[in-house]
Amino acid sequence: ETGVTQSPTHLIKTRGQQVTLRCSSQSGHNTVSWYQQALGQGPQFIFQYYREEENGRGNFPPRFSGLQFPNYSSELNVNALELDDSALYLCASSSRGNWAQETQYFGPGTRLLVL
Amino acid sequence: EDQVTQSPEALRLQEGESSSLNCSYTVSGLRGLFWYRQDPGKGPEFLFTLYSAGEEKEKERLKATLTKKESFLHITAPKPEDSATYLCAVQAFSGGYNKLIFGAGTRLAVHP
Repeated sequence: ETGVTQSPTHLIKTRGQQVTLRCSSQSGHNTVSWYQQALGQGPQFIFQYYREEENGRGNFPPRFSGLQFPNYSSELNVNALELDDSALYLCASSSRGNWAQETQYFGPGTRLLVL
Repeated sequence: EDQVTQSPEALRLQEGESSSLNCSYTVSGLRGLFWYRQDPGKGPEFLFTLYSAGEEKEKERLKATLTKKESFLHITAPKPEDSATYLCAVQAFSGGYNKLIFGAGTRLAVHP
């Protein structure tokens, strides 16, 4: 069974640029959630994708957007990067169905540094 | 407002010195409380899910318990390899989907 994978592992961008992060979900999972984790903090929910549609969003501006593809992989796009966007971006996959079974499994993360 | 608070922020133990980490929460409609372990620069690794008050789960030197207001992660006779940040999260249902709300974590250091 293949776990959640993310690419790239590290990324350096300058303020105002755009970035795309990628995530492949665990085999058998149909739901992807994205989180932002600042240094020394817990992960903060950005949004969730199910059946190729966003069906939940946390307190993040519209310049954070995403996609989910038919194979359940996903992208996170961030436009007009700001210094505060520097963080570890985590992707988690789960299987939508019985809510009691919706454990989210995380990938290794992408470390984004905005200069 | 749904909220998760973990204490202490940091904990230093000697190898073999047992202790407990605390996670207190307020959430409307708890659909599970999760414990994750996170090593520096890595993604969180799933440890346990607890669904109802009184439930307990064990894995090696770790034991998680749940009450109506808080959860404890007990570490018995820890080893240096148990050093990590331990994250607690509650699963909240809102707007037709489940999302995880995390605490800030407890940084555990176990010294030989």
